[in-house]
Amino acid sequence: QPVLTQPTSLSASPGASARFTCTLRSGMNLDSYRIYWYQQKPGSLPRYLLRYMSDSDKHQGSGVPSRFSGSKDASTNAGLLLISGLQSEDEADYYCAIWYSSTLIFGGGTKLTVL
Amino acid sequence: EVQLVESGGDLVQPGGSLRLSCVASGFTFSSYGMHWVRQAPGKGLEWLSYISSSASTIHYADSVMGRFTISRDNAKNSLYLQMNSLRADDTAVYFCARGGEGSTAKTLLDYWGQGTLVTVSS
Repeated sequence: QPVLTQPTSLSASPGASARFTCTLRSGMNLDSYRIYWYQQKPGSLPRYLLRYMSDSDKHQGSGVPSRFSGSKDASTNAGLLLISGLQSEDEADYYCAIWYSSTLIFGGGTKLTVL
Repeated sequence: EVQLVESGGDLVQPGGSLRLSCVASGFTFSSYGMHWVRQAPGKGLEWLSYISSSASTIHYADSVMGRFTISRDNAKNSLYLQMNSLRADDTAVYFCARGGEGSTAKTLLDYWGQGTLVTVSS
């Protein structure tokens, strides 16, 4: 079982919201990890979006709009990336990451289609 | 302006070696931890290695442990990745990235280079 699992794809309409999940391996304590989110548009470099540990420990990347936010869902042991007011320019691959066992682990990424 | 420029990517035969370089500018290189990350064609991001600002701390992904070596020369504002025993599945674009400050050095990759392509094929 991978350390981080992300759905392969997600579709949403312009103006709607998108909810990305990053599920930690069974047995891993969600409370122990800061979840990092990165965006990679087609043909471009990855871009750091935000970090979420808790509401009191979070960080927004430089220039990242407030419609991008992080959260956690303890019931599913998952970190969440929420994008509200979707725009066509949000179409990209989204990766979560954590520091685990002395390594940086990326999730497999979720491709967002805005249609 | 922060800039990271990788070089050294090439076509190499299986079992061969290659050394990648990443030259940094626009920030105090010696103050930041640095990473190597790769992306195989059509695939996701794979973290490879981290080196702290003073090179006192180094970490590797299991997939490259024992084959790849990360190093840096702060006097030359340069980061390196020595890659040995290359395999076909090492074919990828290799990025260097700057780590964040303080406690985020190992996890917040805030600036990325354009990448250099490594192709391992006979």
